[in-house]
Amino acid sequence: QQQVKQSPQSLIVQKGGISIINCAYENTAFDYFPWYQQFPGKGPALLIAIRPDVSEKKEGRFTISFNKSAKQFSLHIMDSQPGDSATYFCAASKGSSNTGKLIFGQGTTLQVKP
Amino acid sequence: SAVISQKPSRDICQRGTSLTIQCQVDSQVTMMFWYRQQPGQSLTLIATANQGSEATYESGFVIDKFPISRPNLTFSTLTVSNMSPEDSSIYLCSTQRGGYGYTFGSGTRLTVV
Repeated sequence: QQQVKQSPQSLIVQKGGISIINCAYENTAFDYFPWYQQFPGKGPALLIAIRPDVSEKKEGRFTISFNKSAKQFSLHIMDSQPGDSATYFCAASKGSSNTGKLIFGQGTTLQVKP
Repeated sequence: SAVISQKPSRDICQRGTSLTIQCQVDSQVTMMFWYRQQPGQSLTLIATANQGSEATYESGFVIDKFPISRPNLTFSTLTVSNMSPEDSSIYLCSTQRGGYGYTFGSGTRLTVV
């Protein structure tokens, strides 16, 4: 059972545009929702994360929007740059539990054209 | 967040052999996680390793195929046993510290020929 569904699978955006990636989850026990950025040949790196007690979190050009009732969250990349071209993964976990394991979405390959 | 050193970074192995991947964390952590990332795919959790106890494996992964050691709070190994070409993947270790901060190693790119 896929617990975190991510879309789109791939995304092409012009430089300066807004990139939007969406995720939906099923398990209402999840209480931690991070986004990871992965470049080829590298491990995933934490980009930004949110907990369900807030509806939005912004760090620089990156914003997470969170809709608890819809069980959805999204990543917005403002003023997208070619250096943002990478694969993005959403994830979810029950951070307060002893397991703490991350469940990942399927990933979105972002290409930002100059 | 914790810093993880993972090695080897890549290897090419013959089918039927085994490879042990090592992860060293720069501080003591309770849990370490091992993931597999097949080519072009997402990350799938293999197992969770706590120090002093048997690793907990996810559905589809078994200890005989992926034995894990966790001898202390800063180190863990994953062995991929009796390898076949289907085991060709990136293997990543991860840890959690400070409640919610998950960090990943740089990964081991395994090719089985």
